[in-house]
Amino acid sequence: QVQLQESGPGLVKPSQTLSLTCTVSGGSISSGGYYWSWIRQHPGKGLEWIGYIYYSGSTYYNPSLKSRVTISVDTSKNQFSLKLSSVTAADTAVYYCARDGVVTATRVFDYWGQGTLVTVSS
Amino acid sequence: DIQMTQSPSSLSASVGDRVTITCRASQSISSYLNWYQQKPGKAPKLLIYAASSLQSGAPSRFSGTGSGTDFTLTISSLQPEDFATYYCQQSYGTPFTFGPGTKVDIK
Repeated sequence: QVQLQESGPGLVKPSQTLSLTCTVSGGSISSGGYYWSWIRQHPGKGLEWIGYIYYSGSTYYNPSLKSRVTISVDTSKNQFSLKLSSVTAADTAVYYCARDGVVTATRVFDYWGQGTLVTVSS
Repeated sequence: DIQMTQSPSSLSASVGDRVTITCRASQSISSYLNWYQQKPGKAPKLLIYAASSLQSGAPSRFSGTGSGTDFTLTISSLQPEDFATYYCQQSYGTPFTFGPGTKVDIK
C-alpha cells in the first residue's frame, strides 16, 4: 500500500520560501510509471494543482505559480519536495502531495498524503 | 486553462436518497474526468476515473456518466458515510483543474 507523508514548517513569514517534503513508502519513486504532484487547498476552498515531477526530474508547473515554484526529487530518499518562494498570506493553505498515475490513459491522483497546513504570517 | 463548474454548490439529502451532482467543463475534455470525495480534515479520495470507471474499493452505489463537456456523479442510495464534499477534476490538459466542489449534508 503506497503511503505519502508531507513534512515541513507550519509557519512561514511573508516574502520567505515555503519548503515541504513528501516521503513515499510502499513504492519506489525511481521505478517510474508515476508522476508525483503537489496540490493545495486554501482554507474552506477548492483544490489547486501546483505541479508534478517525474523520477527523471522532469517537471511541469501550473502557470499561475510557475515563477515561484520548484519541485525536486531525491530518489535515494524516496522523497520529492516543493519550494514556493516570495510567499504571501494568499499562500496559506493545506498542501497535499499525491501520486499522479495513469489509468486507462487517464491521469488520476490515486494516493494522497494527509496534508499539512502552512500558514504565512509574521 | 480549462474551467470546471459544478452544480449545485451544496445540497441537503436524507439517507437512502438518490443524489446527482453535475460537472461542466469550459471545453470538451472527452472522458478525461475524475471525481473525488473529501471529508472534513481529510485528503480527497478518488471515486470515479475516466468519467465512468469505479475506482477499486469505492462502493458500487457511486456511478459516473458523461463525455465532452457535461458529466454527472450519482449516488444511488445515500449512506451516512457519504456526507462529504465532492470534486470533479479534468485530466484532459495541463494545468489540471478541479471544480469548486459540491457539499452534501444531512437533511
